[in-house]
Amino acid sequence: KAGVTQTPRYLIKTRGQQVTLSCSPISGHRSVSWYQQTPGQGLQFLFEYFSETQRNKGNFPGRFSGRQFSNSRSEMNVSTLELGDSALYLCASSPGRGGAEAFFGQGTRLTVV
Amino acid sequence: GEDVEQSLFLSVREGDSSVINCTYTDSSSTYLYWYKQEPGAGLQLLTYIFSNMDMKQDQRLTVLLNKKDKHLSLRIADTQTGDSAIYFCAETYTGGFKTIFGAGTRLFVKA
Repeated sequence: KAGVTQTPRYLIKTRGQQVTLSCSPISGHRSVSWYQQTPGQGLQFLFEYFSETQRNKGNFPGRFSGRQFSNSRSEMNVSTLELGDSALYLCASSPGRGGAEAFFGQGTRLTVV
Repeated sequence: GEDVEQSLFLSVREGDSSVINCTYTDSSSTYLYWYKQEPGAGLQLLTYIFSNMDMKQDQRLTVLLNKKDKHLSLRIADTQTGDSAIYFCAETYTGGFKTIFGAGTRLFVKA
């Protein structure tokens, strides 16, 4: 069974630009969650999608958005990038039955210069 | 509020047991997890415990849950150098749609 796939693995963007990150969950999993990991703030929850609907959202500005497609693949978008958005963005997939274990991808490391 | 706290560092000798501790705040948490993160990698789920359990054992790993004190621990028996990593404690809120992570405990294993 293939794991969670995140693309790209590494990304360098300039302040003010926008970026889209992709996550393909484990086959059969319908829930996708996104997290931002930084040395100072640790792992912060961004949002969770299930069957194309956002079920929960963390405390991030509106520049951070996401969506989920009918095949459960998810994308997250960050507009008007700031230096502080530099982080490892992790995606996790789970069957979505509430509280089931989540499996993480390798992450996308975003550097904003 | 939502908070999960862990000590930041732990150093043990190879062959000894490691105990990593965590406290959480939400008494309505349904699942509590331990994840491992090695350098440059994503998070690997090690084990999890449902909130109505006190203990779970899985090979070298033992999870203890004290729900009254909102305290979770992970014991790694016969710690090996390959166990060196960051260990994250996490809790899932009622409804299961949001998981809150601790800051992670960096485990150093000395040969």
